[in-house]
Amino acid sequence: KAGVTQTPRYLIKTRGQQVTLSCSPISGHRSVSWYQQTPGQGLQFLFEYFSETQRNKGNFPGRFSGRQFSNSRSEMNVSTLELGDSALYLCASSQSGGENSPLHFGNGTRLTVT
Amino acid sequence: GENVEQHPSTLSVQEGDSAVIKCTYSDSASNYFPWYKQELGKRPQLIIDIRSNVGEKKDQRIAVTLNKTAKHFSLHITETQPEDSAVYFCADQYDSWGKLQFGAGTQVVVTP
Repeated sequence: KAGVTQTPRYLIKTRGQQVTLSCSPISGHRSVSWYQQTPGQGLQFLFEYFSETQRNKGNFPGRFSGRQFSNSRSEMNVSTLELGDSALYLCASSQSGGENSPLHFGNGTRLTVT
Repeated sequence: GENVEQHPSTLSVQEGDSAVIKCTYSDSASNYFPWYKQELGKRPQLIIDIRSNVGEKKDQRIAVTLNKTAKHFSLHITETQPEDSAVYFCADQYDSWGKLQFGAGTQVVVTP
């Protein structure tokens, strides 16, 4: 079974721009979660989608948004980029997103904002 | 859970020795406790998990123990090998879709 696939692997953007990251979950997984990883803040939860609906959201500003398509693929968008948005963005998929459904992470997208 | 504390932040061990990483959670209703291993430049990989109705779980050289009363859970790695060198993260989850609360991570270095 193919793992979680994230594209692109690397992105360099300038302040004020916007960016879209993509995530394809493991086949059969319907829940997709997004996390931000930075050396200072560690792994922080952004949001979770299931059946095209956002069910859960972390404490990030409204510049961070996402969506999920009918095939469970998900995209994350960050608008008006700030230097502090530089991070590794990880997508994780699971069958249901609940406690009995372990999360499996992709390799991430490394975003650098200059 | 709202907060997971993880100790130590770094751990150096000689090959063949054991390594122990400890985590404390704050939400007594937390039910699920996974551990992830992240090698440099790679994705976090689930290595073992435990649920609140179980006190201990083993998988070859790794084991996890859970003390619900004290709200502690620990990862034990025996007979460490150089390939065990990585950052290890503990986490908990309670009644929250797709959201894991992660500890800050432990950098484990196994020296030959």
